[in-house]
Amino acid sequence: AQKITQTQPGMFVQEKEAVTLDCTYDTSDPSYGLFWYKQPSSGEMIFLIYQGSYDQQNATEGRYSLNFQKARKSANLVISASQLGDSAMYFCAMREGMGGGFKTIFGAGTRLFVKA
Amino acid sequence: ETGVTQSPTHLIKTRGQQVTLRCSSQSGHNTVSWYQQALGQGPQFIFQYYREEENGRGNFPPRFSGLQFPNYSSELNVNALELDDSALYLCASRSMADNTGELFFGEGSRLTVL
Repeated sequence: AQKITQTQPGMFVQEKEAVTLDCTYDTSDPSYGLFWYKQPSSGEMIFLIYQGSYDQQNATEGRYSLNFQKARKSANLVISASQLGDSAMYFCAMREGMGGGFKTIFGAGTRLFVKA
Repeated sequence: ETGVTQSPTHLIKTRGQQVTLRCSSQSGHNTVSWYQQALGQGPQFIFQYYREEENGRGNFPPRFSGLQFPNYSSELNVNALELDDSALYLCASRSMADNTGELFFGEGSRLTVL
């Protein structure tokens, strides 16, 4: 069963505007973590932001914020003031459980195009 | 602080051959995970190593195997290569002491199977 769903294969945004990338997840584990990673064309995965399942407030990191709606099992990434360098693939990921044996799984990704 | 390094960066093999990919984890990290990322898709979890033992595996056949060494570096071995094994193979390390589980990735090894 698909555990991380990203329904937007591609998104376009005008430079300097905000954009929301959607992510829904499915887990029965009460302890989990949600991540967003950016993958430029070079291939390296770059960590953007993290949200723990017990965190009360939405995570923010500079221009990135995570809109965490636990009841809806969604963890959307909001990028404010888009820049041309934001053009890349974006992956939502989920870590289930705690301790040593957990694994992190990824969604299919959303390709973001920032227009000048 | 040294990041995650992978080698080789690119390689070409033929069907039926065997390949070994290598990964040096980030300093202080004791857990290594391997992912396969086919073109245009998300990374798929292959397996994870902690203290030189596999402690998690995704839906990959036994011809995908690995090792972790005492210095926490790791190898991914793939036997009897198939055309569908062509992909970017990503290694990621993390510290067991970090409760978030944030993964730190290398730049990947791009394997082409002809």
